[in-house]
Amino acid sequence: GAGVSQTPSNKVTEKGKYVELRCDPISGHTALYWYRQSLGQGPEFLIYFQGTGAADDSGLPNDRFFAVRPEGSVSTLKIQRTERGDSAVYLCASSLLAGPENEQFFGPGTRLTVL
Amino acid sequence: GENVEQHPSTLSVQEGDSAVIKCTYSDSASNYFPWYKQELGKRPQLIIDIRSNVGEKKDQRIAVTLNKTAKHFSLHITETQPEDSAVYFCAASSNTNAGKSTFGDGTTLTVKP
Repeated sequence: GAGVSQTPSNKVTEKGKYVELRCDPISGHTALYWYRQSLGQGPEFLIYFQGTGAADDSGLPNDRFFAVRPEGSVSTLKIQRTERGDSAVYLCASSLLAGPENEQFFGPGTRLTVL
Repeated sequence: GENVEQHPSTLSVQEGDSAVIKCTYSDSASNYFPWYKQELGKRPQLIIDIRSNVGEKKDQRIAVTLNKTAKHFSLHITETQPEDSAVYFCAASSNTNAGKSTFGDGTTLTVKP
């Protein structure tokens, strides 16, 4: 299909609530990445998947953040007990294979606002 | 871990002039350096990349140079046009961090007609 898609495009929630952000990668792409982009900054790595497994979750800021990719395609980023500091644009990217020489294609992002 | 610094944070040029954006990195294991263009409200898009086994790569009006010894790389845009106005990000990654790209904080380029 088209490119990487993410839903919702915007999410406003209240402090303390739980949110789920969804990413649909390009069909056939085995690697999927989550980044967080705050205003005026570059994307900050959170986690990446190779297939169904999280190959590197070293960027997740704390245990309130969790991500899954149960069937090796769609991924969901889950944030518990949201805090105002979680407000950012959450970007998803996918690539055919993992590895630095495989172009990452980004989705449009989900703008999360925690009130 | 890797640290990427990018300069300048903002850059304003006259249409037709050249623009240069510079990045430094800290991890000598980094071997892949992509550059992304992000227009306002849009997703980052890869515009050019360079691998550590080459020193320069060119694609029409854009070029990237890499100095592995000094751990810095630069983006050069010649004959700038108003549609080049955007935020540009450099990034670095390595085989040891297979998928993990570390980004600079971006340069907002404005090309004045």
